[in-house]
Parts: sequence; C-alpha cells; structure tokens
Amino acid sequence: DQQVKQNSPSLSVQEGRISILNCDYTNSMFDYFLWYKKYPAEGPTFLISISSIKDKNEDGRFTVFLNKSAKHLSLHIVPSQPGDSAVYFCAASVGSRDDKIIFGKGTRLHILP
Amino acid sequence: GAVVSQHPSRVICKSGTSVKIECRSLDFQATTMFWYRQFPKQSLMLMATSNEGSKATYEQGVEKDKFLINHASLTLSTLTVTSAHPEDSSFYICRGGGEYGYTFGSGTRLTVV
Repeated sequence: DQQVKQNSPSLSVQEGRISILNCDYTNSMFDYFLWYKKYPAEGPTFLISISSIKDKNEDGRFTVFLNKSAKHLSLHIVPSQPGDSAVYFCAASVGSRDDKIIFGKGTRLHILP
Repeated sequence: GAVVSQHPSRVICKSGTSVKIECRSLDFQATTMFWYRQFPKQSLMLMATSNEGSKATYEQGVEKDKFLINHASLTLSTLTVTSAHPEDSSFYICRGGGEYGYTFGSGTRLTVV
C-alpha cells in the first residue's frame, strides 16, 4: 500500500513559468512533509518542508502548500529555471527527524528552454 | 551545513562476494541512520533503521542476515551486502537522523556481476 503518491511520472514546463508538482498521502498520522530534488546516481537534496500545523511554507522560489483535509500537498517553483530539471520526491514522516521518511515515486520535471 | 559522507560511490562485485558501504556524519552526531534502496525509476525504499549501539530494525521483506548493518559510533554506520546476487544491484543511500535528520548521503551504485 503506497502511503505517499505522486501520480504524475513526468512534467514539462517552459522556462520562466510556474512548475506545480502534486502529491497525495493516505496516512493521516503523517505530520511532517518534505520535498527532495534528485539527480541520477546522487543522493536526494532536501528542498523544503512543512509541518502539519501550517498550510504554506515559502523559501525563495519554492513554496509548499498543504491541504490536510484533502491529504494533498503541492510544490510550486516560480520562476522555473533550467537547473530545476530533476526528479522531485514528495516524502512524509510521523514525528521527528529520527523517524522514518516515506517517499513517493517521484516526478521528473523537464524545464524547456 | 550537515554532511553525510557515503563511500564508495560506485562498486562492482562478483556474485557471491560481500560489499561494505560506509556512511559517516561529518559535522553532527547521527544517533540514528536510515538505509534506503532505490531501483531504477522507482522510489526510495527504506530498508532498515539503525541506532548507535543497538541492533538495527529491518523493514518487512528485508533479509537481516543478508544486509548487515552496524552502527558502532555516533558518526559511522555501515551496510554490508553479504553473498551478493545480481538482483541486489541497486542504488543504496543512507540518511543520518538527529539534528540534521533530513540529510542524505550521496549514494552507492552497486552492480553485482
């Protein structure tokens, strides 16, 4: 049973426009959500996170929105840049940094020139 | 920032041999180390969780006698793939828990021939 779902395997966005990556989860116990960026043969790089007590967190070009009632979160990247082309993983955990992080399958983002 | 150093980055071994992968937390103490595996175009799957000085906890379906985890100090955890087979070929990644618990190592590409 997949607890974190990213239903879009890939997404293409024009450079300069907004990229929106979506994620759904099933486990209502999750209280911390994260987005990671990953290049092939490298470890994931932490991008941004959000606690379940918030509905929005912003860091530069990256904004994460959380809709707890819908068990849905999204990552907005604006403006999109060529270097943003990568695989983005949505992840969730229950509790602290010493707890398991469960990952979605990832969405490959292509930024088009 | 926090760094988790993972070695080797790539390893090729013969079927039946054992391979050791090391993860070191360079500037923080990782009381917990999480080990993940990623098959091509798949998500990062948690294999096991190790705590310094105690036995590792393995996820369902992961053979503890095959994937030996040692967490002897607050800065070093190792994963040994014993009697490796071609189906063990994968990308293995560690994550240090604790204060900087969202930091991953750079990963190890294991190829068993």
